[in-house]
Amino acid sequence: AQSVTQLDSHVSVSEGTPVLLRCNYSSSYSPSLFWYVQHPNKGLQLLLKYTSAATLVKGINGFEAEFKKSETSFHLTKPSAHMSDAAEYFCVVSESSGTYKYIFGTGTRLKVLA
Amino acid sequence: KAGVTQTPRYLIKTRGQQVTLSCSPISGHRSVSWYQQTPGQGLQFLFEYFSETQRNKGNFPGRFSGRQFSNSRSEMNVSTLELGDSALYLCASRYPGTRDTGELFFGEGSRLTVL
Repeated sequence: AQSVTQLDSHVSVSEGTPVLLRCNYSSSYSPSLFWYVQHPNKGLQLLLKYTSAATLVKGINGFEAEFKKSETSFHLTKPSAHMSDAAEYFCVVSESSGTYKYIFGTGTRLKVLA
Repeated sequence: KAGVTQTPRYLIKTRGQQVTLSCSPISGHRSVSWYQQTPGQGLQFLFEYFSETQRNKGNFPGRFSGRQFSNSRSEMNVSTLELGDSALYLCASRYPGTRDTGELFFGEGSRLTVL
């Protein structure tokens, strides 16, 4: 069975400092992993995805994530936070076995301090 | 290319009423799924439709139902509304073909308030 755990419900960083949002997953098969961002009263937007190609995945807006099978982790990072990064971030795992079934993490709310 | 469109964006109902929400996927996307988002439960999967057939279903009572039309547009219906049904309902479409990357494309949601 699949599961995903986002280790922090809230993260605060100062503008210009690095961002680290942590995600651990569990999957019986080769998973696909995604990070989505949600701004207030908006839908979710894909930041990046891992689908068994390169383990270091680069996404939009300077975000990247590294798939570490041995640690079952897929942490999201950004070298320098911007005020516009303040939002909620969701880690998602899916088993791409024909019919995708997605499991969403509980979300991490990122606050960026001026 | 137009994105996923959900209507209405906001609505208020009273307990016991029913509601129908609509979702128009991105052109060419034949898979449509629905999610309920609440502060307490997070994002929970309701169901997925593909080519007018329900393919997957989450753990929701029978009051929650959906359908998909031949043009891939989808509707979901909630009958006998309860206070706990207040939520943001998100629709997502996907292109389940040879170029499928598994990415879900979300609409902006329909925010339902039940009084």
